Amino acid sequence: DADVTQTPRNRITKTGKRIMLECSQTKGHDRMYWYRQDPGLGLRLIYYSFDVKDINKGEISDGYSVSRQAQAKFSLSLESAIPNQTALYFCATSEPSGANVLTFGAGSRLTVL
Amino acid sequence: KQEVTQIPAALSVPEGENLVLNCSFTDSAIYNLQWFRQDPGKGLTSLLLIQSSQREQTSGRLNASLDKSSGRSTLYIAASQPGDSATYLCAVITNAGNMLTFGGGTRLMVKP
Repeated sequence: DADVTQTPRNRITKTGKRIMLECSQTKGHDRMYWYRQDPGLGLRLIYYSFDVKDINKGEISDGYSVSRQAQAKFSLSLESAIPNQTALYFCATSEPSGANVLTFGAGSRLTVL
Repeated sequence: KQEVTQIPAALSVPEGENLVLNCSFTDSAIYNLQWFRQDPGKGLTSLLLIQSSQREQTSGRLNASLDKSSGRSTLYIAASQPGDSATYLCAVITNAGNMLTFGGGTRLMVKP
């Protein structure tokens, strides 16, 4: 089993629909992250959480919300999806150290029509 | 705000060539720099991590260098192979925060 598991792997939805992307990890890491990747733009941080009671906005949090249900689970929600949220979404985890070496999930490809 | 740029955006080379991927960053006050590999349909895999006090790191056929004062890093791949075909991303952590800022990536294709 993968250390960081994302579901669904692919999703096509319509404008205005609510979408939830889920992430679970078996690494035992406290820190979890949601990134968005668009072609040529690298990865941009949406939200991050350093422990269950800690949620922080990243660079591009508008239109997104998150929930840290447990140490191992971190979900990303789009309350009302719009076409420019079409992207590849990655969940990642890390240990609380300065090196910040991340372990990534395989990604969730979201298409909003 | 830290900005990370990778040039070229795409590169195609014949098998066996030595090649260099470039990464530049605007804020030299970095904590470390990392190079990642991304394969289609998969997540990112960390290749090399260079601390700000280091000049280079090596792993097998990969060598990454860091020139913090000029805001540059290079990833050198020796004797390229078709299995090296992937997207390579660099990312930095600035001293002011603990978050990674990624470049846009270089898509590499090594032809047999």
